[in-house]
Parts: sequence; structure tokens; C-alpha cells
Amino acid sequence: SQQGEEDPQALSIQEGENATMNCSYKTSINNLQWYRQNSGRGLVHLILIRSNEREKHSGRLRVTLDTSKKSSSLLITASRAADTASYFCAILSGGSYIPTFGRGTSLIVHP
Amino acid sequence: GAGVSQTPSNKVTEKGKYVELRCDPISGHTALYWYRQSLGQGPEFLIYFQGTGAADDSGLPNDRFFAVRPEGSVSTLKIQRTERGDSAVYLCASSPWSGGQYEQFFGPGTRLTVL
Repeated sequence: SQQGEEDPQALSIQEGENATMNCSYKTSINNLQWYRQNSGRGLVHLILIRSNEREKHSGRLRVTLDTSKKSSSLLITASRAADTASYFCAILSGGSYIPTFGRGTSLIVHP
Repeated sequence: GAGVSQTPSNKVTEKGKYVELRCDPISGHTALYWYRQSLGQGPEFLIYFQGTGAADDSGLPNDRFFAVRPEGSVSTLKIQRTERGDSAVYLCASSPWSGGQYEQFFGPGTRLTVL
């Protein structure tokens, strides 16, 4: 199974700004999931996007998937200090039943 | 409803000892996963259960690691002859169905420290 690679590794922004993080992968996928992890709540699922979908929204979150470029992006609009966390993409590809995680993007939102 | 729970939340042990880590998945979830996470890294897959059987244990690093799920609900991860390199946060996740087509619900993890 393949692993997604998040970029950038770290991101520091001011409250109210937008945050964009990317996930790239190497071979075709079935779906791609984004998770958030902070010390208070552990790993929490944000959005799942399937290979035949191009964009999904959930509140202030927007995920896009470009299968031709083998990449996905997570956009957080109007960021808040509470968005400070690590963000991971998890890839499900081929015949695997195991979503595999990248190293994550560490986001810090300054109040 | 109750989420995934893991006990203990912290475990400190000495090198060479045996430890058991427990996971209580969400009721009715047939798929259960164990991951290990080191500082600054993403979760690393260890083993996946579908019902009572280990459908994929390819992530277990060596034969010191073993996991069971005898009744298709609670799972126990067992580590024999612990080594300092086993120190990590061990995460359990459950999902309502197999195939990774549904989100995983993670527990808070067990932080294992091997001295």
C-alpha cells in the first residue's frame, strides 16, 4: 500500500487567514481521507473523497482531488486558533483495505 | 454514543517485560485497526481485523507483537519482551465496514514507554 506525502511539513498563519495543505501520492487510489489530530481530541476524521469526485465541502473545509496530478488539497477558510493541529491524509489504493497515513502537516494558527 | 476507548492511557514498563493494550471499538463496528505512532510521524499500520479474524497482520514488526479479537468486539494488542524501540503511542480505530470505504473512528491511544 502506498503512503501519501503532505506538504508543507509545517504552516504558521494568523487567525482569519486561509490555510492550504497538499497531499501527493504515486499510484491510483480508491479514496483519500483527511484527518486532524490535536492533543485534546486525538485523530478525528474530516472528509473522505472518492476517486471519482473532484471536490467536497464541510463547513470551513474544502477538499479537492486531482487524479491526473495525483494530488489532493485541504483548504481551511477563515482559520481559528482552535484549528491548530496536525493534518494527515490517508490513502486507500488498489485492493488494500488499509488506509495508510502520511507524516502530516503541522498547522499553527496564531490568535 | 460512546466512542472508541483504549486502556490504559499510559503504560510505563521495563525492557523485557510483557504488556497488553486493550481496545473497545464502537458497538457494531466490524472492522478494527491497530496503528503505532511515533513523535512527528503519522500512524503506522500494524494489524486489521474483520470480525474475529486478523485479515491483515502485515504491519506487525516482528513476532513479539500479537493481537486478538476473540469475540469480534474488544481487541488486545500483546507485546512480548518489550524493547525501548517499542515506545510509541498505540492507536486503535474501528469502522462500520471493511474495505476502508468508511471513515475510521480513533481512540485516544495508549502511550507506551519502555525504560
